[in-house]
Amino acid sequence: SQQGEEDPQALSIQEGENATMNCSYKTSINNLQWYRQNSGRGLVHLILIRSNEREKHSGRLRVTLDTSKKSSSLLITASRAADTASYFCATDPGANNLFFGTGTRLTVIP
Amino acid sequence: SAVISQKPSRDICQRGTSLTIQCQVDSQVTMMFWYRQQPGQSLTLIATANQGSEATYESGFVIDKFPISRPNLTFSTLTVSNMSPEDSSIYLCSVEDPERGGMDTQYFGPGTRLTVL
Repeated sequence: SQQGEEDPQALSIQEGENATMNCSYKTSINNLQWYRQNSGRGLVHLILIRSNEREKHSGRLRVTLDTSKKSSSLLITASRAADTASYFCATDPGANNLFFGTGTRLTVIP
Repeated sequence: SAVISQKPSRDICQRGTSLTIQCQVDSQVTMMFWYRQQPGQSLTLIATANQGSEATYESGFVIDKFPISRPNLTFSTLTVSNMSPEDSSIYLCSVEDPERGGMDTQYFGPGTRLTVL
């Protein structure tokens, strides 16, 4: 299976703290993407990092990619209650298909 | 980014019936995708639907069960045929919109929550 795995499966933090989620995958990739999903609804694209990039920032988000370890991490700084959601990594092997990880359920406590 | 709508947003259906889900995009896009998300699970790609060609199905999904139409560059339908309770899932369409969202990024519709009794 090309599906990635994420850990932790669930994470609960206080508002203002940082949240880190990790994603591991098995095959070579063209890029890796992170998505957020609120309450089982549609996904919101957060950030895309290409295989030749090691780190990328977008607002309070920081994504790293280590292709030698086939892993990525998503860091959300200064978390807010509104960040409560499920976060998925998705790998693109280059065929325009996305393979989603198992997801991390983040709860930010006000 | 592309604005995507899906109809219906949710439905409850009887075993053995079929449901057609519509996906409408506010711009012309070449690549559209259909995903399934079973309860508490991650997303699984069902098929890729490009206008002008037959849909390409992923392993474990067949056209007889999930026929797809792609009549133009802004619209697609996915039919879930001869439903069973195991088909209860959220079905999501997505698109790539290189002109507005950059290459390789997919944008998702709000999903259709299907419950089969």
